[in-house]
Amino acid sequence: EVQLVESGGGLIQPGGSLRLSCAASGFSVSNNYMSWVRQAPGRGLEWVSFIYSGGSPHYADSVKGRLTISRDNSKNTLYLQVNSLRVEDTAVYYCARILWRSWYFDLWGRGTLVTVSS
Amino acid sequence: QSALTQPASVSGSPQQSITISCTGTSSDVGGYNYVSWYQQHPGKAPKVMIYDVSNRPSGVSNRFSGSKSGNTASLTISGLQAEDEADYYCSSYTSSATWVFGGGTKLTV
Repeated sequence: EVQLVESGGGLIQPGGSLRLSCAASGFSVSNNYMSWVRQAPGRGLEWVSFIYSGGSPHYADSVKGRLTISRDNSKNTLYLQVNSLRVEDTAVYYCARILWRSWYFDLWGRGTLVTVSS
Repeated sequence: QSALTQPASVSGSPQQSITISCTGTSSDVGGYNYVSWYQQHPGKAPKVMIYDVSNRPSGVSNRFSGSKSGNTASLTISGLQAEDEADYYCSSYTSSATWVFGGGTKLTV
């Protein structure tokens, strides 16, 4: 079955760090454009980052410098390292596959909730 | 990158048609035919309903259609059904090789 499963969320204090994981099955993350999208409670979707083979990762201006997207092809897993967490980073973080050339998010995981609070 | 502009809410009766607008700039909506629309039910992940402005993925009802004029894209849902009640988001690829979403529209049927 083609799917994405996120993990790694939880309650973390401001200033802390977290690494989110997204395990893919049924396809290879190494051959696809992959992205993270987040959604704060009761708010809209916000694109965060994407990665693809052969190029540099891209980040939204709002998170640049604090987030790092990466992947482990041997584990077929996408990651998002989030540092210097702020209360406003509280959100459900979704990983999504981007369909090349049409540039839309064709496959989504169920998301993992990150809560930043003291 | 500013979010695309969508109405906060729209409503319609069963079997009616509604249209949701999505306004951006020449750097996103107006510059590319890479506008997509997503449906999200409470507590669920988004699901793509329209891509490349007007294309429907396999399995999406033909009651959903998309269009674009200048910097504004639109999603039309005809023959409204109760299960269409959800939040809808537009998205566009941008000139910065990033993506931007709209603020979302809550559809009440």
